Amino acid sequence: ELKVEQNPLFLSMQEGKNYTIYCNYSTTSDRLYWYRQDPGKSLESLFVLLSNGAVKQEGRLMASLDTKARLSTLHITAAVHDLSATYFCAVDHLGAQKLVFGQGTRLTINP
Amino acid sequence: DADVTQTPRNRITKTGKRIMLECSQTKGHDRMYWYRQDPGLGLRLIYYSFDVKDINKGEISDGYSVSRQAQAKFSLSLESAIPNQTALYFCATRANRGGNQPQHFGDGTRLSIL
Repeated sequence: ELKVEQNPLFLSMQEGKNYTIYCNYSTTSDRLYWYRQDPGKSLESLFVLLSNGAVKQEGRLMASLDTKARLSTLHITAAVHDLSATYFCAVDHLGAQKLVFGQGTRLTINP
Repeated sequence: DADVTQTPRNRITKTGKRIMLECSQTKGHDRMYWYRQDPGLGLRLIYYSFDVKDINKGEISDGYSVSRQAQAKFSLSLESAIPNQTALYFCATRANRGGNQPQHFGDGTRLSIL
């Protein structure tokens, strides 16, 4: 059974700082997705990572995938308040587009 | 207009009632999904459908049923609602082709069962 674990689950940080969210998963997969959710809102796709060593960047966010370590990271550079949200990673189970989600990381960025 | 529309957006009902949540999409996607979101648990897959004649159980299908009325419509039913089905429910769609396509989510239905 595929399990996906994120850490930390809660993160409070100051503007301008850097930090990393980790996503570990338990069985082989080469497709991983990162989503953002604002309070009371839907999920917005951020990154799609399809192979070992994949790295994607958008603004202050950068995501990477290490399929051998079964680990993805979401790195935040010089955080700004607008990045406050809950971030989810999701792993494609057996390539069937049956996503298994992590618990989510609630990120709060303080001025 | 939203590409993936869920109705109702909010619903409060009583234990034992039958409830239907509806999802429609204008994206032309074949694949549709129903998830529930609970605090601290992320999203969990209830049912998914790859086309009108293909419906599959997800991780937590007990107590739920679905109907794929057309390519664009996928409904979730709770036959006899119970309080632990109180949650935020999301419908999602995905294109059939292209390994780099993410799932697209609706705005969610907040369901409370008293």
